Amino acid sequence: EVQLLESGGGLVQPGGSLRLSCAASGFTFSNYAMSWVRQTAGKGLEWVSSISDSGGDTYYADSVKGRFTISRDNSKNTLYVQMNSLRAEDTALYYCVNIDWGYWGQGTLVTVSS
Amino acid sequence: DVVMTQSPLSLPVTLGQPASISCRSSQSLVYSDGNTYLNWFQQRPGQSPRRLIYKVSNRDSGVPARFSGSGSGTDFTLKISRVEAEDVGVYYCMQGSHWPPYTFGQGTKLEIK
Repeated sequence: EVQLLESGGGLVQPGGSLRLSCAASGFTFSNYAMSWVRQTAGKGLEWVSSISDSGGDTYYADSVKGRFTISRDNSKNTLYVQMNSLRAEDTALYYCVNIDWGYWGQGTLVTVSS
Repeated sequence: DVVMTQSPLSLPVTLGQPASISCRSSQSLVYSDGNTYLNWFQQRPGQSPRRLIYKVSNRDSGVPARFSGSGSGTDFTLKISRVEAEDVGVYYCMQGSHWPPYTFGQGTKLEIK
């Protein structure tokens, strides 16, 4: 059974940093690109970032470019996103997603507020 | 960026009746490999999105046969032949033909009348 388990969310002040993790199991993690997608009440679903299977290629939404860094450790079957210079508009539920196969995690909530 | 526009945004349906959701893209979703990367997702209350349909019309494993996808180019439709109580939730279309970025529709909230 495929599982994507996100962690690392929480409350952070504007300008702060947070690192989210996603532990994958049930499929050959190193064979697939992985992504982060976030969901807010006001803006629905928004793609945030993707990384190739090897980690050599990364892609970002304009809204997070220069502030977020996606990475992966294939030896640990884990996906990460380092989020810096956080803003109130980054408040959302962040999902780890295997877009190719349509697998979504349960999400981790990030709240940016003073 | 490709803009995905869904309609209606709210869909009240009587149990056992059909339902249809439209999704239109701002440009053709036919990719250079000949495939059209248009997916449909269902998000039940309190749950993560679940993919129902990939590449326009292919049902994912475990998805009931009452769900079907169709369309081409820029116009796509998700149909539910007979709505059941468990179908309540929000439905999203998503394009993967012209990424980055992947883009989603606004979502259609299906409720029982």
